[in-house]
Amino acid sequence: DAGITQSPRHKVTETGTPVTLRCHQTENHRYMYWYRQDPGHGLRLIHYSYGVKDTDKGEVSDGYSVSRSKTEDFLLTLESATSSQTSVYFCAISELEGYNEQFFGPGTRLTVL
Amino acid sequence: GQNIDQPTEMTATEGAIVQINCTYQTSGFNGLFWYQQHAGEAPTFLSYNVLDGLEEKGRFSSFLSRSKGYSYLLLKELQMKDSASYLCAVPPYNQGGKLIFGQGTELSVKP
Repeated sequence: DAGITQSPRHKVTETGTPVTLRCHQTENHRYMYWYRQDPGHGLRLIHYSYGVKDTDKGEVSDGYSVSRSKTEDFLLTLESATSSQTSVYFCAISELEGYNEQFFGPGTRLTVL
Repeated sequence: GQNIDQPTEMTATEGAIVQINCTYQTSGFNGLFWYQQHAGEAPTFLSYNVLDGLEEKGRFSSFLSRSKGYSYLLLKELQMKDSASYLCAVPPYNQGGKLIFGQGTELSVKP
């Protein structure tokens, strides 16, 4: 299995509080991704990174920011959490741009009350 | 843009064969992926097709027709453990390593 961990695995927070989720990889893969998964919507890309300090928006980036200061870590921040951000968040990594099989972390279940 | 369609749910019997379809519309083509996701777990890679035809991998096969914008995943000799969601995904052309996922097909295997 690809070495990807996410922390925390579960979090309950209140509306308006900042939240940071961490994704850590030991594979030295160039690309890292943050998805959210909700019933009826499948997996939707929030942000992705194609190298250290190189990030770009996905299809549902509003209300989220990311940072990647080193290859192994990709942080997702909710500046002011809202109930609509209650979801399961998955981090993924891939090595190549063309044939880009992605390996997924175990997920973080976030509840915003 | 991209659009991916899959049936929401399917039910099949243990030991049978099931075909899960996926249709897509993309502005360029760079292959198509299938992932399996068991409830409460992360998606895991099943197959990748970039050329037309059938790719077989044990009990699972994946087919692609680029001219029709169509793929299917074929599961043979169904087992109870095959009950899962099956996700079709395509990488947008010239947009790095991104993947756009369909909503997934929830497969229930009954005894």
